[in-house]
Amino acid sequence: DVKVTQSSRYLVKRTGEKVFLECVQDMDHENMFWYRQDPGLGLRLIYFSYDVKMKEKGDIPEGYSVSREKKERFSLILESASTNQTSMYLCASSSDRAPDTQYFGPGTRLTVL
Amino acid sequence: AQSVAQPEDQVNVAEGNPLTVKCTYSVSGNPYLFWYVQYPNRGLQFLLKYITGDNLVKGSYGFEAEFNKSQTSFHLKKPSALVSDSALYFCAVRDRSGGYQKVTFGTGTKLQVIP
Repeated sequence: DVKVTQSSRYLVKRTGEKVFLECVQDMDHENMFWYRQDPGLGLRLIYFSYDVKMKEKGDIPEGYSVSREKKERFSLILESASTNQTSMYLCASSSDRAPDTQYFGPGTRLTVL
Repeated sequence: AQSVAQPEDQVNVAEGNPLTVKCTYSVSGNPYLFWYVQYPNRGLQFLLKYITGDNLVKGSYGFEAEFNKSQTSFHLKKPSALVSDSALYFCAVRDRSGGYQKVTFGTGTKLQVIP
């Protein structure tokens, strides 16, 4: 089974802090994604990566950056956290053989105070 | 631009009854369509997808979905609901002419199966 893990289930940070969310997948998938999930808004794509060191903006990249130094790991960075970034963050991965089937991690619920 | 609409925030159904979770989509070209399920305190899980071919797609846990091009719909169905089906369901769409990374998700429908 594909396993996507996220470093924290719950995280509480203060406004202005730099926040790192880590995601690791163990199936050698080429593609990795970061979404945020908010009630009434569904999932919105923040960034994705289709290869090591490659990244592309999704629909809501403002206030976020990403890093993919190794194939299995995709990090989401909030340079200066703000209260409107309080949300559930979901990481996903997919392979080039079946790019449309995404495998999701359990999510990180981030609260910014 | 591509979009997907899930008109119902919540659907309640009695255990053993058939269930339908509605989804309509909008794409400029031909769609790829997906359903995902999110159980409480867990990540999303892939249920099924429509790529091409038969309009009736069968997926995991006894779920199926019917692609209707004229109505631009992709409703999720199950003949007999189980209490364990209670979860949050997301419909998603991708335009075939677009990059495969750009999947658009709906806002989700909470399914409550009543014992």
